[in-house]
Amino acid sequence: QSVLTQPPSASGTPGQRVTISCSGSSSNIGSNYVYWYQQLPGTAPKLLIYRNNQRPSGVPDRFSGSKSGTSASLAISGLRSEDEADYYCAAWDDSLSGPYVVFGGGTKLTVL
Amino acid sequence: EVQLVESGGGLVQPGGSLRLSCAASGFTFSSYWMSWVRQAPGKGLEWVANIKQDGSEKYYVDSVKGRFTISRDNAKNSLYLQMNSLRAEDTAVYYCARETGDLPGYWGQGTLVTVSS
Repeated sequence: QSVLTQPPSASGTPGQRVTISCSGSSSNIGSNYVYWYQQLPGTAPKLLIYRNNQRPSGVPDRFSGSKSGTSASLAISGLRSEDEADYYCAAWDDSLSGPYVVFGGGTKLTVL
Repeated sequence: EVQLVESGGGLVQPGGSLRLSCAASGFTFSSYWMSWVRQAPGKGLEWVANIKQDGSEKYYVDSVKGRFTISRDNAKNSLYLQMNSLRAEDTAVYYCARETGDLPGYWGQGTLVTVSS
């Protein structure tokens, strides 16, 4: 069971806006930045959002991130077939046994 | 262009050891934290360890503490992961990653480690 909780699946039709949630706690999302990754089938993960809402160069502005308290969200607008992938959130966790990075369990996005 | 190329994966028996390497290019290696992240077959991502620019700070996930050691050689632009006392649950694709901000940003293509008798 992952420290960060994501819905296992999400879906939408082309052109729609979809959001993927990521729920954590005060020791991770509540006190650290949230990152989002996209993993297309058979490929390495790709950074989509860093530091809650920043997009690396080359990432379309259809992708946006937000954070509130101990939860975060990834929004994808103007959904396209090539967005069909697994999406993961991540953050540092300030645990008592030492800091470490935690990932969500991943959300499989299907474009209908 | 940032490039990260992992090597050293393969089949190893339970209790055995393996050393993964990651060759970095396209950026000033000595200026960045580096990480290892793994993904078991059909499963999600799991962060394994990271290391500061000069190697003075290292952090590990609890499940590998005392068994895995992350290290780097800035003169060779290389990152390493020494894995000892391997278990079946360590079977995964291991990714080398360069940090952007404070988490992995650029990722290699991964190397598969299979722990099985």
